[in-house]
Parts: sequence; C-alpha cells; structure tokens
Amino acid sequence: GENVEQHPSTLSVQEGDSAVIKCTYSDSASNYFPWYKQELGKRPQLIIDIRSNVGEKKDQRIAVTLNKTAKHFSLHITETQPEDSAVYFCAAGGDYKLSFGAGTTVTVRA
Amino acid sequence: DAGVIQSPRHEVTEMGQEVTLRCKPISGHNSLFWYRQTMMRGLELLIYFNNNVPIDDSGMPEDRFSAKMPNASFSTLKIQPSEPRDSAVYFCASSPLTGSLTYEQYFGPGTRLTVT
Repeated sequence: GENVEQHPSTLSVQEGDSAVIKCTYSDSASNYFPWYKQELGKRPQLIIDIRSNVGEKKDQRIAVTLNKTAKHFSLHITETQPEDSAVYFCAAGGDYKLSFGAGTTVTVRA
Repeated sequence: DAGVIQSPRHEVTEMGQEVTLRCKPISGHNSLFWYRQTMMRGLELLIYFNNNVPIDDSGMPEDRFSAKMPNASFSTLKIQPSEPRDSAVYFCASSPLTGSLTYEQYFGPGTRLTVT
C-alpha cells in the first residue's frame, strides 16, 4: 500500500517568514495530493490540492509543488501569519483511498 | 450546506459498553469514509463506502468494530464492547468521488471518544 512520509514533524518560523513542508510517497499510481490544515480540537480542512498532471499550484500565500519522478511534493506558505499556526497533513491517493502523513506542527512566532 | 454532521461530539463511556457514532454526509456525495485519529497512529482509514456499499474495511481494527450505511444520508460506526484503547477522535468524511478519480474529502467535526 501507499506510504507517505512527512518532514519536519515540527516547524517554528518568525511571522512574515516562509514555511516549507515536504512529503514523499511510495506508490507511483497515486495521482491526487491534498494538503489539510488542522487547528487544535478542530477537523482537518482541505487547503490546497494538486493532481499528477500538474507540477505546481498556487492559491494566495499557499503553493504546492509536485515532482512525480522523485515521488515528492511540498507545501510552501509565504508571509506566515499567527493564524497559520496549526498541524498540516499531506496525503497521497489514487482511486478512492488517501494515505496521510504524520503531520507537521507549525508555530508562527509573533 | 451544513457540511458533514457527526454526533455525538463527545462520548465518555465505560469499558465493555456499546458505543455508536453517527454521521450524515454532505448531500450529493456518494462516498463516505470513517477515520480514527490518535497521537500515536495519526489519521487511519477504518472503512470506505461508495453508494452505500462497503468497499474497503481493511482498516477496521477488529471484530468489535462494525459500520453500516443504510442510506445515502446516514452512517453509523459501532464499537461493541468498547475498550480503553479505542479512545480517539473519530472522523467521518464524505467525497463526491466518481469512478476511480479521487476527489477532495470533507471532514466532519469528529467525535471524541473516551473509554474509561
């Protein structure tokens, strides 16, 4: 089955700096790569996703890149703000099933 | 749209008791997923339904766990008997999945289960 590894497990950044989270996956058949943000005590919420026919996607301060050859994808958050503090999960999937990374706890220091 | 609805939001029960968690997916979504989230194991897929039919239950930890989806707007996850190691947050998610193309999954607020 699919195995998704996510790094780093924790990330502390100064407000205004950029944050980068990286994930690798094992199954070359995976074709869908979403990113979820989970605030403390809340549900995971989809913030951006990318499909295997696209190499990069951007939505305001958030961008995701995908390298299918190397089987890795990354989340980039620019101009971080305190409200970006949360746990971020990457996932990889094909057909119906999503396999999630272990999560990255991002703390934005004011 | 109200989003995915789960009940109860919190459940505290004693070991050995039966627990039933409920989920109402987003109207029009034909796929439903039950997940369990713990610090140790992260987010784990327990079972997946498509058009009310269980397609993949390989994540159900043991026979004490069962899930049903009697119609397109309702699903239950039952644990009988419950054990302390079942304590976790259980999420239901739905998706407008069509065929083999994976679409975004929308999560409910979760049920925090504590088994004492």
